[in-house]
Amino acid sequence: AQSVAQPEDQVNVAEGNPLTVKCTYSVSGNPYLFWYVQYPNRGLQFLLKYITGDNLVKGSYGFEAEFNKSQTSFHLKKPSALVSDSALYFCAVREGGFKTIFGAGTRLFVKA
Amino acid sequence: EAGVAQSPRYKIIEKRQSVAFWCNPISGHATLYWYQQILGQGPKLLIQFQNNGVVDDSQLPKDRFSAERLKGVDSTLKIQPAKLEDSAVYLCASSSDTGELFFGEGSRLTVL
Repeated sequence: AQSVAQPEDQVNVAEGNPLTVKCTYSVSGNPYLFWYVQYPNRGLQFLLKYITGDNLVKGSYGFEAEFNKSQTSFHLKKPSALVSDSALYFCAVREGGFKTIFGAGTRLFVKA
Repeated sequence: EAGVAQSPRYKIIEKRQSVAFWCNPISGHATLYWYQQILGQGPKLLIQFQNNGVVDDSQLPKDRFSAERLKGVDSTLKIQPAKLEDSAVYLCASSSDTGELFFGEGSRLTVL
C-alpha cells in the first residue's frame, strides 16, 4: 500500500534563508508526487508535481522539489524564504487509479 | 475558470443529528474526491468518484456516511447520525487526467 511520511511537524527558518521540507514515500509502481500548501481556514492549493522527467521540478511561488528515486524522497525547497511562506505544507502521492493520499503535514514558520 | 464550490462553509450540530455537504467540481473534471481533515492531521480520503461511479470508498464509515454523485457532476456527502469524532473539515476536490487536485474551501463541521 502507498504511504507518505513527513518527518518534521514544524520547520523554522529565518526570512531570506533557504528552506527544505522533507517528504518520503512508498509505492509499488512509479509514483506521481505532489506538494500542496494550506493557509489558515482555506482549502489546499497545488504547488508542484513530479510525474516523469527531470528530477528537479519547479512550481508556484518560487518553490521547487527534488525527486530522488533511490531514497524515495521528494523534498520541497526554496532558495530564499519569505514570511508569507508560513503555512502548512502537505506532500502527497498517487499510485494508479487516481487515488491520492497525503502526509500528516509540516508547519513552516518563517521568522522576519 | 470557476473553482470547486462547497457549501455550507460551517455547520454546528448535536450528536445523532444528520448533516449534508454539497460540492460542485470544476467543469469537465471527471474525478471527484471527498476528504476528511481532522485538526492537526493530513486529509484522509473518504471516497473517490470517477464520473458517477465509485472508485474507492474503503475508508468511508458506511454505517453513517454516504455519498453520491448524480449525473457525474455535483456530489453530496451525508452523515447520519453524527458522532463527536466526526468534527472535522470536509474537503471536496476534483481533478482531470493531469493528476493534481483542486480543492474547495472546505466545510467545517462541529458536533456537540
